Amino acid sequence: DAGVIQSPRHEVTEMGQEVTLRCKPISGHDYLFWYRQTMMRGLELLIYFNNNVPIDDSGMPEDRFSAKMPNASFSTLKIQPSEPRDSAVYFCASSPLRGQGNEKLFFGSGTQLSVL
Amino acid sequence: GESVGLHLPTLSVQEGDNSIINCAYSNSASDYFIWYKQESGKGPQFIIDIRSNMDKRQGQRVTVLLNKTVKHLSLQIAATQPGDSAVYFCAENPADKLIFGTGTRLQVFP
Repeated sequence: DAGVIQSPRHEVTEMGQEVTLRCKPISGHDYLFWYRQTMMRGLELLIYFNNNVPIDDSGMPEDRFSAKMPNASFSTLKIQPSEPRDSAVYFCASSPLRGQGNEKLFFGSGTQLSVL
Repeated sequence: GESVGLHLPTLSVQEGDNSIINCAYSNSASDYFIWYKQESGKGPQFIIDIRSNMDKRQGQRVTVLLNKTVKHLSLQIAATQPGDSAVYFCAENPADKLIFGTGTRLQVFP
């Protein structure tokens, strides 16, 4: 099992540009989560999906952020337009069915985003 | 202006000693707790979990203790090794999503 796969590994862009982060969850996992990690705020949950449907997006900072999950094996997190304060490491994580002792999340290696 | 980041508490231990990392959680409704380890440049990795109907759970070299009365969680690492150096996060699960603490940095010196 390859685990959760994120791309790109690093992204450097200029303020105002659109950024798209990608995630492939572990096959068979019904839940997908997007987290953001910064020195200022630690690990923050942005949004999560169950069976490709967004369940809770209350952590999405503002309308510039959007996330989609068109199918069970792919999700994107988009920032448009990007700003320097969006610079962070963005993690995707997946999890199998909840409430059955399978709540633990499996994280990808993250995307290091730098907005100049 | 000057940026202020999270001040990660740091625990420094000698190789071979036992480590105890503490965590206070906030939500009385949380019924599931996890400890994660994050090495530099990597995503968090699962270490051990515990449900609220237990107060202790043991794994390989690690033990998690849960005190629901004071909403406190601890991770004990036996015979700490250099490879244990990382940032450790506790996480609680109040409602279908994991909320992470700010983390503790563990430094192991020879």
